[in-house]
Amino acid sequence: DAGVIQSPRHEVTEMGQEVTLRCKPISGHDYLFWYRQTMMRGLELLIYFNNNVPIDDSGMPEDRFSAKMPNASFSTLKIQPSEPRDSAVYFCASSGRQGNLVQYFGPGTRLTVT
Amino acid sequence: AQSVTQLGSHVSVSEGALVLLRCNYSSSVPPYLFWYVQYPNQGLQLLLKYTTGATLVKGINGFEAEFKKSETSFHLTKPSAHMSDAAEYFCAVSGGTGGFKTIFGAGTRLFVKA
Repeated sequence: DAGVIQSPRHEVTEMGQEVTLRCKPISGHDYLFWYRQTMMRGLELLIYFNNNVPIDDSGMPEDRFSAKMPNASFSTLKIQPSEPRDSAVYFCASSGRQGNLVQYFGPGTRLTVT
Repeated sequence: AQSVTQLGSHVSVSEGALVLLRCNYSSSVPPYLFWYVQYPNQGLQLLLKYTTGATLVKGINGFEAEFKKSETSFHLTKPSAHMSDAAEYFCAVSGGTGGFKTIFGAGTRLFVKA
């Protein structure tokens, strides 16, 4: 199994630009999570989906952030417009109902907004 | 509501010494408890988990943790540290009304001295 795939691995953009992060979960997993990790705030859950439906988006920092899951094998996290304080590592993770709630993390996308 | 507290943001041990990373949790329902490890520039990966049954749980790389309900603790130990154990370790809790939502601790960075 290829594991959770994220792209791009690194993204550098200027303030005000739109940023789209992509995630492909492990095949057969029906839960998908987006996290943000920074030195100051640690690991924060932004949003999670079950069967492509957003269940809890209370961690999304503000309206500039949006996430979609159009099908079971693809999700995006979009920031528009981006700001320097959005600089962080963004992780996608997936989990299956039979897996005792274990989450499998992707390698992350390191976002730098200048 | 569920929560996790990791005692000590940094722990330093000598190679060959005992590793002890402390974790206390709060949960109103029987918890599922996890330890994840994060190596530099990588996503988190599962080290071990407790769901039900035996309270002493063995994980990968010689790590183990003991679930103590009376102390609401799930401390991680390894008898003899190796240089390759240097990483950040996260304790996490989920289950009950939180469902698949997992609450992560702030993390403990382990340093191993030669």
